[in-house]
Amino acid sequence: GQQLNQSPQSMFIQEGEDVSMNCTSSSIFNTWLWYKQDPGEGPVLLIALYKAGELTSNGRLTAQFGITRKDSFLNISASIPSDVGIYFCAGQKGGSQGNLIFGKGTKLSVKP
Amino acid sequence: DAGVIQSPRHEVTEMGQEVTLRCKPISGHNSLFWYRQTMMRGLELLIYFNNNVPIDDSGMPEDRFSAKMPNASFSTLKIQPSEPRDSAVYFCASTPGLANNEQFFGPGTRLTVL
Repeated sequence: GQQLNQSPQSMFIQEGEDVSMNCTSSSIFNTWLWYKQDPGEGPVLLIALYKAGELTSNGRLTAQFGITRKDSFLNISASIPSDVGIYFCAGQKGGSQGNLIFGKGTKLSVKP
Repeated sequence: DAGVIQSPRHEVTEMGQEVTLRCKPISGHNSLFWYRQTMMRGLELLIYFNNNVPIDDSGMPEDRFSAKMPNASFSTLKIQPSEPRDSAVYFCASTPGLANNEQFFGPGTRLTVL
């Protein structure tokens, strides 16, 4: 089935560092969403993007809907320990209302 | 405000047994989604409902899986008979309607089939 390529798969952060991750697809998407999942919990919606080129912030998080509509980026500025977790991108293609496709996730851990 | 409620949170059962997972969507939400999450395959959409009607069940892996939504506030996902490869975390999510892609997830049910 359709896949979203999310990278990196994992990364280590040190408090205060900025973090970037992205999702790409071979198909055009109408909507991009970014979720965070903590251990033992369900994914929590962070940011939703609806227009190509759109840049949206939620606190220290900023996400962009790529101009080509085939990619999206999430940046976390000045990371803090509670930012650890797994971040998922999700996309919805035109003509497929309700059908979100999820990336495999980017796991953020604290640098030892 | 109550979010999506799922029960049980954990289920351990033996191969061949019937398993029923339950979900209560957010009040007022008309669309409900069932997902399965595994390390290998990530989050997979199994089936979704709109106004209690199944819209797309193409993600249901086999006939052993079935889902119902008898009313706007309750849905079940049943596996009969269960197999070890069904072990996963099953999530329910809801949105106000299909035109709204912002899905709110429940806490999940961790299923282990021995």
